Amino acid sequence: NAGVTQTPKFQVLKTGQSMTLQCAQDMNHEYMSWYRQDPGMGLRLIHYSVGAGITDQGEVPNGYNVSRSTTEDFPLRLLSAAPSQTSVYFCASSYQGMQPQHFGDGTRLSIL
Amino acid sequence: GQQVMQIPQYQHVQEGEDFTTYCNSSTTLSNIQWYKQRPGGHPVFLIQLVKSGEVKKQKRLTFQFGEAKKNSSLHITATQTTDVGTYFCAGNSGNTGKLIFGQGTTLQVKP
Repeated sequence: NAGVTQTPKFQVLKTGQSMTLQCAQDMNHEYMSWYRQDPGMGLRLIHYSVGAGITDQGEVPNGYNVSRSTTEDFPLRLLSAAPSQTSVYFCASSYQGMQPQHFGDGTRLSIL
Repeated sequence: GQQVMQIPQYQHVQEGEDFTTYCNSSTTLSNIQWYKQRPGGHPVFLIQLVKSGEVKKQKRLTFQFGEAKKNSSLHITATQTTDVGTYFCAGNSGNTGKLIFGQGTTLQVKP
């Protein structure tokens, strides 16, 4: 089992560019989520999904879109990248929302 | 909205000393989870507490969930260099599945 796979691992963008961070899991988990991690801020929830076709906002959703067309995939879209979105992004999944989360290795994103 | 606060932010200890991190929620939690993140790595699940007043142990680690289900703690006895990392608590409030993380406590252990 690959678990939770995030691509790319590193990315540098220019301000105003758009980009999609990919997340896929092969554990048939219903719940998936995206977090950003910044120094001293912990992990902040961006968006989450409790199943295919259902998404909801987390703590810091502005500037990000998500969709969940399949159980396996949960891409995160940056619409118009800003330097404030420079961060490490983690995708996580679990069987259900109340269950332990399995994290991917993260995407390190820099926006110039 | 739901907030989860964690203290201290950093802790430096000598190897062999004990360590405790505390987690407080602004709302009553359905459960609380603890994760460890090694430098450069991703968070890894340690344990989940569900019941009021619950205490669980994993070797040198002791986890507690408060009676009111609004606070929790992680205590490490006799720290080792392998304990280095950032420890996060994360809470679920209600049945939304929305898991909110604390800011984390970064533990440094001096050999």
